[in-house]
Amino acid sequence: DSGVTQTPKHLITATGQRVTLRCSPRSGDLSVYWYQQSLDQGLQFLIQYYNGEERAKGNILERFSAQQFPDLHSELNLSSLELGDSALYFCASSVDGRLEAFFGQGTRLTVV
Amino acid sequence: DAKTTQPTSMDCAEGRAANLPCNHSTISGNEYVYWYRQIHSQGPQYIIHGLKNNETNEMASLIITEDRKSSTLILPHATLRDTAVYYCIVRVASNYGQNFVFGPGTRLSVLP
Repeated sequence: DSGVTQTPKHLITATGQRVTLRCSPRSGDLSVYWYQQSLDQGLQFLIQYYNGEERAKGNILERFSAQQFPDLHSELNLSSLELGDSALYFCASSVDGRLEAFFGQGTRLTVV
Repeated sequence: DAKTTQPTSMDCAEGRAANLPCNHSTISGNEYVYWYRQIHSQGPQYIIHGLKNNETNEMASLIITEDRKSSTLILPHATLRDTAVYYCIVRVASNYGQNFVFGPGTRLSVLP
């Protein structure tokens, strides 16, 4: 158990819908990362937050947005969902961006 | 971040040492070498990281060449549960815009 909690574990939704994925980092961790992993694809970095501020942005679509709240949990919002958005979404956290990150078990999103 | 090159796949007999190589010939002086693994769609698991010196923890050993252009992750007594995709990542330890870039990794199969 990495200490990073992601909810829900599984999510099935229809095209065009909007969903919110939640991540609770390890206690004391200030930095949160989001990654997407499509079937048989590599891990694609989406976005990083540190203590509520966006610190790095990767290949995140404009339909996707994220934020980190004052209690340090983070949410990834996915809107106007398409079939191609079906993937595993992982959250990771680290004490700060300089140190190793620990990953949650992911949310499996299926868009039908 | 420097690019890394890893074998696509490797086999290892159960109980033997698994030696996973990684080339990072363009690594900069302030970049660390990190190793993660991912067991079948679970969240990536942090293994070990280092800068210049060899490192050992309860999971593995990391051997970095003197010129830092390559490294080897050693699992001393591989078990079936070590079957996974292993990722070698080089990264500056910074709070600003330095995410973990995952390549295709090495698929390690531990055989009985």
